[in-house]
Amino acid sequence: DGGITQSPKYLFRKEGQNVTLSCEQNLNHDAMYWYRQDPGQGLRLIYYSQIVNDFQKGDIAEGYSVSREKKESFPLTVTSAQKNPTAFYLCASGQRGGGTDTQYFGPGTRLTVL
Amino acid sequence: AQSVTQLDSQVPVFEEAPVELRCNYSSSVSVYLFWYVQYPNQGLQLLLKYLSGSTLVKGINGFEAEFNKSQTSFHLRKPSVHISDTAEYFCAGSGYAGNMLTFGGGTRLMVKP
Repeated sequence: DGGITQSPKYLFRKEGQNVTLSCEQNLNHDAMYWYRQDPGQGLRLIYYSQIVNDFQKGDIAEGYSVSREKKESFPLTVTSAQKNPTAFYLCASGQRGGGTDTQYFGPGTRLTVL
Repeated sequence: AQSVTQLDSQVPVFEEAPVELRCNYSSSVSVYLFWYVQYPNQGLQLLLKYLSGSTLVKGINGFEAEFNKSQTSFHLRKPSVHISDTAEYFCAGSGYAGNMLTFGGGTRLMVKP
């Protein structure tokens, strides 16, 4: 089955630790995205990538980092510099990227900082 | 940049009643609009989208939306809801083909028996 997988589903982190969230897609899509979801605020774009080895900051990139070494993978690292990392993180992919593209979402990772 | 506003954070409705979820967008030269649905603890899936052409767009699960340029709105409607429609609904838009999507704050639809 084609789709997007995210792991882990739940993640707990101590303050001061970096953690990496996994996102893999087998849809052969060029574009991949990371969003953060907080209650009542909708989705906010963290980073996106439209081609391998290239990525762009979204609206709330501070305290996060990404890499795009392979077309199918777009991991997100939440660093200790992120002041309020507890949230639901969603990864998505799109065929081409851009405003007309339908985005396909993974099931999400819920990160809690203890 | 495009901005998208969902006017209601929660909409309670009885089963088999009609429902309208409201979405307004900031105007731009061209506009592309989407509605996504999110079931509890899951990712989002596309309900429908407007890119061009007919202003009445039909989507999955019996939902439809109407693009209204004069009112800068893209409201989502369903004539008769089911318990299974209980979910959070997001309106999203972009101003031109090269731009990223901007999401509204979401509307929680609660269908009661």
